[in-house]
Amino acid sequence: RKEVEQDPGPFNVPEGATVAFNCTYSNSASQSFFWYRQDCRKEPKLLMSVYSSGNEDGRFTAQLNRASQYISLLIRDSKLSDSATYLCVVMSQAGTALIFGKGTTLSVSS
Amino acid sequence: GAVVSQHPSWVICKSGTSVKIECRSLDFQATTMFWYRQFPKQSLMLMATSNEGSKATYEQGVEKDKFLINHASLTLSTLTVTSAHPEDSSFYICSAIKELDGGYTFGSGTRLTVV
Repeated sequence: RKEVEQDPGPFNVPEGATVAFNCTYSNSASQSFFWYRQDCRKEPKLLMSVYSSGNEDGRFTAQLNRASQYISLLIRDSKLSDSATYLCVVMSQAGTALIFGKGTTLSVSS
Repeated sequence: GAVVSQHPSWVICKSGTSVKIECRSLDFQATTMFWYRQFPKQSLMLMATSNEGSKATYEQGVEKDKFLINHASLTLSTLTVTSAHPEDSSFYICSAIKELDGGYTFGSGTRLTVV
């Protein structure tokens, strides 16, 4: 079983749509969780951290369910500029490498 | 702040030659750096963890004699792909931990094509 699993998509949505991405992780001892965004042929960039209480940053909402080992990302009012690959990322403990999911590709069209 | 410079951005080399990729932390000291590899439509796969002044720790399945990592200073880690083959063609990217807040910063990546 892979450490971090995501639905690869692609998700093709119109502008203004709401889209949700899901992710599961296998290591129950994992401590930190993130969503990264990666544009084609670029390095990944941190979108947001994910907390058990759930957190929101503008149009983006992330949630973590430790019991189910499940992470989600919700994007509201999609913009063309949201088109990218969204990577679910887990860190087992501070100072160790980030473990990446395969990514979910989002394409927003006008 | 917390910029990691990686170069070259892209390189094309002949099969059998060696390629060195550099990763520098420009405004902070990076005692730990990580090297990843990403094949098309795949996730970033950790290759090795590089610690300043000591030998790198390689992930299972990564040949340490083929992928030489040197982290001789607090601001520089290098990855040398030795005797490169077409199957080594990939996107290589480094990451460093920012000592100040423990966050991760990524280099811009190196696209290697072996012909």
